[in-house]
Amino acid sequence: SQQGEEDPQALSIQEGENATMNCSYKTSINNLQWYRQNSGRGLVHLILIRSNEREKHSGRLRVTLDTSKKSSSLLITASRAADTASYFCAITFSGGYQKVTFGTGTKLQVIP
Amino acid sequence: ETGVTQTPRHLVMGMTNKKSLKCEQHLGHNAMYWYKQSAKKPLELMFVYNFKEQTENNSVPSRFSPECPNSSHLFLHLHTLQPEDSALYLCASSQDWQTNTEAFFGQGTRLTVV
Repeated sequence: SQQGEEDPQALSIQEGENATMNCSYKTSINNLQWYRQNSGRGLVHLILIRSNEREKHSGRLRVTLDTSKKSSSLLITASRAADTASYFCAITFSGGYQKVTFGTGTKLQVIP
Repeated sequence: ETGVTQTPRHLVMGMTNKKSLKCEQHLGHNAMYWYKQSAKKPLELMFVYNFKEQTENNSVPSRFSPECPNSSHLFLHLHTLQPEDSALYLCASSQDWQTNTEAFFGQGTRLTVV
């Protein structure tokens, strides 16, 4: 399939701990994006990393990209209850037109 | 608020009804998208419009009919739906579909087909 696959499917941590989610894919990409979705609502863009980048930071978020392993990780440091949401990676493929596809997401629960 | 507004937020319709979902953005974006999100399945891209022209139709059944009268508005016309069409329908927009930019999503319409 051409979509990313997030791992784990669900993650439960205590407030203050770090949360790490992974995304794997199978084809060459132009960029990879991470989105957050609160229950039953729209997706909110978090961060975009291009295929020639290895790491990006945004506040408490750190994203890494390893194109040789075709994988990315999203690290949320010092988690808060408000971080409870589903997290999706979205991939834009190389070649032809650009098409963004999403995986099934990682459901993160941060316990206060 | 992401700048993308979807109405209605919730919709219950019978299998013989005809209804429409509306999406509006005033972000100056040229690409608009419809996605379907069902429980435990990946977000499915349904349609893509770029500069009001449909550029993608992902084998969506004809009971879903999109319309894009201008770059700011996108509709999804629904008729004779099936219960399995019940899902969250998300609209998104981006600068255009050829560049590496983020997509902005609406809050979605929760559709229930009875």
